[in-house]
Amino acid sequence: EVQLVESGGGLEQPGGSLRLSCAASGFTLSTYGMSWVRQGPGKGLEWVSSIVPGGETYYADSVKGRFTISRDTSKNTLYLQMISLRADDTALYYCTKNFEESTTNMIFHYWGLGTRVTVSS
Amino acid sequence: EVVLTQSPATLSLSPGDRATLSCRASQSVSRYLAWYQQKPGQAPRLLIYDASNRAAGIPARFSGSGFGTDFTLTISSLEPEDFAVYYCQQRQHWPPLTFGGGTKVDIK
Repeated sequence: EVQLVESGGGLEQPGGSLRLSCAASGFTLSTYGMSWVRQGPGKGLEWVSSIVPGGETYYADSVKGRFTISRDTSKNTLYLQMISLRADDTALYYCTKNFEESTTNMIFHYWGLGTRVTVSS
Repeated sequence: EVVLTQSPATLSLSPGDRATLSCRASQSVSRYLAWYQQKPGQAPRLLIYDASNRAAGIPARFSGSGFGTDFTLTISSLEPEDFAVYYCQQRQHWPPLTFGGGTKVDIK
């Protein structure tokens, strides 16, 4: 059974840093495209970042240069390192798994429950 | 960036009604459009991918259609559990991957 469990969220001051983790089970994370999608309070869904099976990484313009997506194959875990946090980064951050293995067809098949990030002084 | 515009923003219907949700893309996305359902306090769930393919476990009352710039999600007969927010998402031109603003289906 596929499971995605996010952690690492919390309250951080503007300019601060956080590292989100997504522990995956039931599949081999490195053979699937994985993404972070966020949802601000009362808002819609916003794609943040993806890493594809070959290891290439992609970012929304709003986070480029501040966020880094990575994965640890030995731990089957996805990460999102966030620095220079801003108030508009406040959101529930979801980890997602692609629909198909070994492709860059970005269809968000499985979702975790999310981890909440609040950026406020 | 492909902008997805969903309409209407809110759809007020009764159980048993037919729901028709629209998603329009600012440029052609071929058939590479997905639909998700999100209930309050829950993560989104994949319903439809590549315009018309139901994901595993999705009831047959959900169907998708369209190609290019105009797409439709139809719920043939609303069940109480279908009242939720629905989002479309394109994967043809990325980055960035983009979502529509959502359509809320609520009880009339």
